[in-house]
Amino acid sequence: GAVVSQHPSRVICKSGTSVKIECRSLDFQATTMFWYRQFPKKSLMLMATSNEGSKATYEQGVEKDKFLINHASLTLSTLTVTSAHPEDSSFYICSARDPGQVEKLFFGSGTQLSVL
Amino acid sequence: GIQVEQSPPDLILQEGANSTLRCNFSDSVNNLQWFHQNPWGQLINLFYIPSGTKQNGRLSATTVATERYSLLYISSSQTTDSGVYFCAVEPRGGYQKVTFGIGTKLQVIP
Repeated sequence: GAVVSQHPSRVICKSGTSVKIECRSLDFQATTMFWYRQFPKKSLMLMATSNEGSKATYEQGVEKDKFLINHASLTLSTLTVTSAHPEDSSFYICSARDPGQVEKLFFGSGTQLSVL
Repeated sequence: GIQVEQSPPDLILQEGANSTLRCNFSDSVNNLQWFHQNPWGQLINLFYIPSGTKQNGRLSATTVATERYSLLYISSSQTTDSGVYFCAVEPRGGYQKVTFGIGTKLQVIP
């Protein structure tokens, strides 16, 4: 099956710093990738849709200046949490569709962000 | 938007037991997927099943689209089955936003 790689798996940072999370499709090209956030013991909430070569589409209530998304190539999308605060601590997961299996979503392994 | 309800929210099983997890959704769907999130957070796709029945080893799933529900069966459960099982649906009308249920947390004890 299609493979989506996410890095890093865990990051601890100080309040006020920025953190970049990478999401790569390893064996397919993804014009669209999705970023989700998961609070402890909660479901996954879609934050934004990342579109290759154009601006991301953010869900209502998600601050686009706080969560910067860049989809510069067909295999890479990045999420940058800017000026991180403790309330940004969460589990972030990306996903993508393989054009050959468009009905399925494939997920990265997630990034646990802890802001001190 | 579409609503997705999963039950039960929590489930504890003795190893070897069978179980059924349920997903109800409020509108017609293009896609429905079942995922397993392991204790380390990784999401694994189990089934893509907008309708019908599929089986993969000890797991099987059935979706009755006309009645807007899907069932995930786990037979002869093992401790490695522990984790959270999510149902995720995509509304009819094209490849749109996927909505996840709140999940069923399964713990299989030896």
